[in-house]
Amino acid sequence: EAQVTQNPRYLITVTGKKLTVTCSQNMNHEYMSWYRQDPGLGLRQIYYSMNVEVTDKGDVPEGYKVSRKEKRNFPLILESPSPNQTSLYFCASSLKGAESQPQHFGDGTRLSIL
Amino acid sequence: GENVEQHPSTLSVQEGDSAVIKCTYSDSASNYFPWYKQELGKRPQLIIDIRSNVGEKKDQRIAVTLNKTAKHFSLHITETQPEDSAVYFCAASKYANDMRFGAGTRLTVKP
Repeated sequence: EAQVTQNPRYLITVTGKKLTVTCSQNMNHEYMSWYRQDPGLGLRQIYYSMNVEVTDKGDVPEGYKVSRKEKRNFPLILESPSPNQTSLYFCASSLKGAESQPQHFGDGTRLSIL
Repeated sequence: GENVEQHPSTLSVQEGDSAVIKCTYSDSASNYFPWYKQELGKRPQLIIDIRSNVGEKKDQRIAVTLNKTAKHFSLHITETQPEDSAVYFCAASKYANDMRFGAGTRLTVKP
């Protein structure tokens, strides 16, 4: 089954404790992206990747890191999480980045930073 | 960059009525306009999309119209059903990396 898989689905942690949210897709998609979703603000892009070893900042990159060492994986890293990063996070992928295609979303990760 | 505004933020309709959600975009070069439905606690899922070379697209009870001159596009749901209750997001882009989403519309269909 074609899908985008995120882990964990839920995480409660404390300020300053490094965490990684994994994202994997099995559709051989070139483009992958991370969004955060906050009430009244819709989906805001954090980072994106056009292909392996090619990543760039989205609209709200502060406090986040990403890497794209393999085509299928695009982890999101919070080196020193803070309470304002409490949010619902979605990973998404699409066939190509050079032209707009439908994006396929993972099930989301709800992060709570205390 | 692209800016997308979506209205209304909440919409309540009676079952069987039609619902219309409108979005405006700022970048005249945007050429792809998807609509996503997000049920409570679930992922956004694509329900319909339209490209700039088309003015209207229909899929059963759902239709999207695009007015490039005015830079706005709309989602139309006819014969609404309780299972249509969800948050709907519009988006606009030229490339995948510049896709911008509206803030969302919470649609409630009352039985």
